[in-house]
Amino acid sequence: GQQVMQIPQYQHVQEGEDFTTYCNSSTTLSNIQWYKQRPGGHPVFLIQLVKSGEVKKQKRLTFQFGEAKKNSSLHITATQTTDVGTYFCAGPGNSGYALNFGKGTSLLVTP
Amino acid sequence: EAGVTQSPTHLIKTRGQQVTLRCSPISGHTSVYWYQQALGLGLQFLLWYDEGEERNRGNFPPRFSGRQFPNYSSELNVNALELEDSALYLCASSLGGTNEKLFFGSGTQLSVL
Repeated sequence: GQQVMQIPQYQHVQEGEDFTTYCNSSTTLSNIQWYKQRPGGHPVFLIQLVKSGEVKKQKRLTFQFGEAKKNSSLHITATQTTDVGTYFCAGPGNSGYALNFGKGTSLLVTP
Repeated sequence: EAGVTQSPTHLIKTRGQQVTLRCSPISGHTSVYWYQQALGLGLQFLLWYDEGEERNRGNFPPRFSGRQFPNYSSELNVNALELEDSALYLCASSLGGTNEKLFFGSGTQLSVL
């Protein structure tokens, strides 16, 4: 079945440094979604990418969807302590399947 | 508008017992999803209900089951609890379909001793 892999598993940065997490699927995705889970919290939807090569920005966050629609990335510019949390990508499985989540990238930002 | 609500928030059970977790979706949402989040394993898909029907099931044994009621709320039942069932169980709702974004509840933290 369709699998979504994420790297790195953990990332520790100094405040102000950039951060990138990568997501790869074994199959072509109709869309990819990104979620953020703060420590002790629940996942919260960030964005959905649908088109091949799509790039979307949310303030310091930049999301990309690969040309082949099999990979995606989330880049955070100049991290802040409020960016701490685990970032998940998720893609729908085969037709009729619910979202499959990657294992997430846990970001720690130290001031 | 109320978000996705789950109950109870915490639960402690012993091995072999049975547990029922409950979820109320956002008003207007017809799809409910259950995910298991065990330490270090990310979110593992359990079950998807839409319009009262089970649409899809993840790679979990049959002792994990559930149902969706006419008001779209849902229950997750786990029989014959095992130690490795200890996890955060998250419920999410959506308008339905595989391309809709999910709204998660705060989860039920289950500890099996």
